[in-house]
Amino acid sequence: KNQVEQSPQSLIILEGKNCTLQCNYTVSPFSNLRWYKQDTGRGPVSLTIMTFSENTKSNGRYTATLDADTKQSSLHITASQLSDSASYICVVSAYVKLTFGTGTRLTIIP
Amino acid sequence: SQTIHQWPATLVQPVGSPLSLECTVEGTSNPNLYWYRQAAGRGLQLLFYSVGIGQISSEVPQNLSASRPQDRQFILSSKKLLLSDSGFYLCAWTNTGTRIGYTFGSGTRLTVV
Repeated sequence: KNQVEQSPQSLIILEGKNCTLQCNYTVSPFSNLRWYKQDTGRGPVSLTIMTFSENTKSNGRYTATLDADTKQSSLHITASQLSDSASYICVVSAYVKLTFGTGTRLTIIP
Repeated sequence: SQTIHQWPATLVQPVGSPLSLECTVEGTSNPNLYWYRQAAGRGLQLLFYSVGIGQISSEVPQNLSASRPQDRQFILSSKKLLLSDSGFYLCAWTNTGTRIGYTFGSGTRLTVV
């Protein structure tokens, strides 16, 4: 069964600090892995997308890594800002279908 | 550029009433289209996906149905809503074979009362 597990479920950090979110998956066959940011009451917005051959991808203060051998990904946020408060969702694609993680709820406090 | 439109943004409907949510995509052709539901504090659940006009795949048995009357239009419907149909509904699209990420609509908050 295809699964995507994210940790931690929730995280609270001080503004300006760095943090790393984790994603472990058991999806086969693997097409790509995406990280999304979802603000409350809004649709998810894509941050990064990585295929099997890519092991890192950056988008501003967001850096995603992928280890296809261990089936693990991480999303590192640098110098967090209050606007980073949101849910971060890891999504793994097997051709047409996606498998979603339940997300990490990140709260940035001043 | 491609855009996805979803409406309405919020909806309050009584139990037993019908439902119609619409999603349209602009700026692309033959997209793969998806309907997801997100219950409060839960992950996204795939309801339906379509790879072409009239082609609908259902992921879970439920009180809902989907239709794709036109290439870039995807409709989520119900004849009689249940309380359990309440949730946040998201439409999404992508093009097969490209590296374009799934793009989501802004969502519809449905409350069945």
